[in-house]
Amino acid sequence: AQKVTQAQTEISVVEKEDVTLDCVYETRDTTYYLFWYKQPPSGELVFLIRRNSFDEQNEISGRYSWNFQKSTSSFNFTITASQVVDSAVYFCARAGGSNYKLTFGKGTLLTVNP
Amino acid sequence: GAVVSQHPSRVICKSGTSVKIECRSLDFQATTMFWYRQFPKQSLMLMATSNEGSKATYEQGVEKDKFLINHASLTLSTLTVTSAHPEDSSFYICSARDQGTALLSGANVLTFGAGSRLTVL
Repeated sequence: AQKVTQAQTEISVVEKEDVTLDCVYETRDTTYYLFWYKQPPSGELVFLIRRNSFDEQNEISGRYSWNFQKSTSSFNFTITASQVVDSAVYFCARAGGSNYKLTFGKGTLLTVNP
Repeated sequence: GAVVSQHPSRVICKSGTSVKIECRSLDFQATTMFWYRQFPKQSLMLMATSNEGSKATYEQGVEKDKFLINHASLTLSTLTVTSAHPEDSSFYICSARDQGTALLSGANVLTFGAGSRLTVL
């Protein structure tokens, strides 16, 4: 199986700290897609980003930024100046080729304390 | 943006009964939908791919007779948990692929429903 590994099970920070969530993936596909989702306690999955394998350009969206490194098969997510509302479980996921079947990592529980 | 409605959001049933969960794409057509299962504090595991007008494709280890999937229209897929038992208690979540979304963009091509929490007593 082509795994997605989120080595950090839980992270706890104080508000305004920067935090990086790690994601390492395995793939045999030439074309693949990487995703990050946020799952608050209510349970719904909130889409954050999708990155195509042929686009290694890093992305910044407000306080969120993503670092895609094909050489290390990593797609890390950084939250700058964290806020209490960022507290949630964050999932990294991949899909291969034209197939949108997602393989999820185990998730990282982020707790931002006031 | 694309919206997927999942119903019911919560259901409690007695052991031995069957429960149906609906997944609807509200403003787009979805020939393909996906059903995931999530145990408490765990990741999401793909159960099956629901294909409009044809049989669902189940992942290894998922009992097709236990989890019946029907995708009768371009906007509706249903998951029926038959003869439910306490071990079937879980959070079930569907996603639908919006094939009208450009693949080359970073746009969200998969929209998830809000999930259905099943408790079997």
